[in-house]
Amino acid sequence: QKEVEQNSGPLSVPEGAIASLNCTYSDRGSQSFFWYRQYSGKSPELIMFIYSNGDKEDGRFTAQLNKASQYVSLLIRDSQPSDSATYLCAVMDSNYQLIWGAGTKLIIKP
Amino acid sequence: GAVVSQHPSWVICKSGTSVKIECRSLDFQATTMFWYRQFPKQSLMLMATSNEGSKATYEQGVEKDKFLINHASLTLSTLTVTSAHPEDSSFYICSARPDRVQETQYFGPGTRLLVL
Repeated sequence: QKEVEQNSGPLSVPEGAIASLNCTYSDRGSQSFFWYRQYSGKSPELIMFIYSNGDKEDGRFTAQLNKASQYVSLLIRDSQPSDSATYLCAVMDSNYQLIWGAGTKLIIKP
Repeated sequence: GAVVSQHPSWVICKSGTSVKIECRSLDFQATTMFWYRQFPKQSLMLMATSNEGSKATYEQGVEKDKFLINHASLTLSTLTVTSAHPEDSSFYICSARPDRVQETQYFGPGTRLLVL
């Protein structure tokens, strides 16, 4: 059974601080990793994807991947209240199917 | 680019009726689309994988005779909830995987179904 684990939260972070979201996965053969943001009542929105070990930066967002530890994270710098949402980690298996984590609810406090 | 639309965005129906939801990729071709369901405060649950020109692949526990999927073209998949009941009330979301970039999926805005 392929699994993706996330802490459900809520994770509360002060405005302007760094929010750190974590995800672990069980399928060692996974190659592609995705972070989606989902606002309440809306569908998921792709924020970042990462394929290679290390860091990938896009604006205020940084995805980090460690395949040896089967760990992927998302850092949000200078957190804003508009970043408050549920963040879903997804891992693509060899059939190009996404395996979803349950999501972490992030709350940015003004 | 990479826009996926869903129609309708909201539907309220009586128990026992059937509801059709459309998912369209507007600016790319998608041989494969996915249908998800999400109950309040829960994560996405994959219902089925829709393949153009062939039968859909359903996840364990999803009734294929109740949730009919038709992927008639490279830009359109439909989900029909047959004989809907109140327990089918949920947020239904489709996603489309671009043929040219298989390693990603783009989501539609979702359809909220309320069965009375």
